[in-house]
Amino acid sequence: SQTIHQWPATLVQPVGSPLSLECTVEGTSNPNLYWYRQAAGRGLQLLFYSVGIGQISSEVPQNLSASRPQDRQFILSSKKLLLSDSGFYLCAWSNQQGARAFFGQGTRLTVV
Amino acid sequence: EDQVTQSPEALRLQEGESSSLNCSYTVSGLRGLFWYRQDPGKGPEFLFTLYSAGEEKEKERLKATLTKKESFLHITAPKPEDSATYLCAVLIFGNEKLTFGTGTRLTIIP
Repeated sequence: SQTIHQWPATLVQPVGSPLSLECTVEGTSNPNLYWYRQAAGRGLQLLFYSVGIGQISSEVPQNLSASRPQDRQFILSSKKLLLSDSGFYLCAWSNQQGARAFFGQGTRLTVV
Repeated sequence: EDQVTQSPEALRLQEGESSSLNCSYTVSGLRGLFWYRQDPGKGPEFLFTLYSAGEEKEKERLKATLTKKESFLHITAPKPEDSATYLCAVLIFGNEKLTFGTGTRLTIIP
C-alpha cells in the first residue's frame, strides 16, 4: 500500500533562518506531488506541484522554493524565513490518473 | 479562472439532524472532484472521488453527489464523531493542479 511521510511534525524557527521540509512517498512510482499551506481556519493554498523529477510548478510568488531530487521525494525550502511563512504545511501525492490524492500529516511551522 | 466555492462556512447540527454541504465549481474540463475530511491539526483524509454528472458515492453516513456545476455531501443522522472540516477539491484536464475550496466546518452537538 502507498504511504506518505512528512517531517517534522512541528517546527519553531527564528526569522531569517533557513527551512527544509521533506516529504517522501512509498509504494508508488511517478506520483504527482504537491505542497500546500493552510492558514488557521482557512482553506488549502497550493504552493508547488510536480509531475516528475526536476519539474516544479509554482503557484504563488513567495519566499519559498521546492525541489524534487528523486521520484518520490519532494522538498520545500526557504533561504530566509519571514513571520508570514508561519502556517500548516501539507504534502500530498496523487497517481497520474488523478483518481485520488493523499496527504501527509502536516508540519506546523511557527516563525518567531 | 477556475474557482471552487464551499458553503456554508460553518454548520452546527444536532445529533441525528441530516443536512447537506455544497461545493460549487467553475472550471474548464473537470477531471475529478474530491471530498476530504480534516480533523484539527491533521492532514485531510480522502473520502470520495466523483468523475461525472449523476455519479454518487456512499460511505457510512456520507453520500456525495455530482452535477455539472456542483457537488453535495449529504450527511444522514450524523454523530458527534462526524464533526470536522469537510473540503472539496477539483482536478482539471490539461494540468495536475488540485485546487481546494475553503471548507465547511461541521459541528455535531450531542
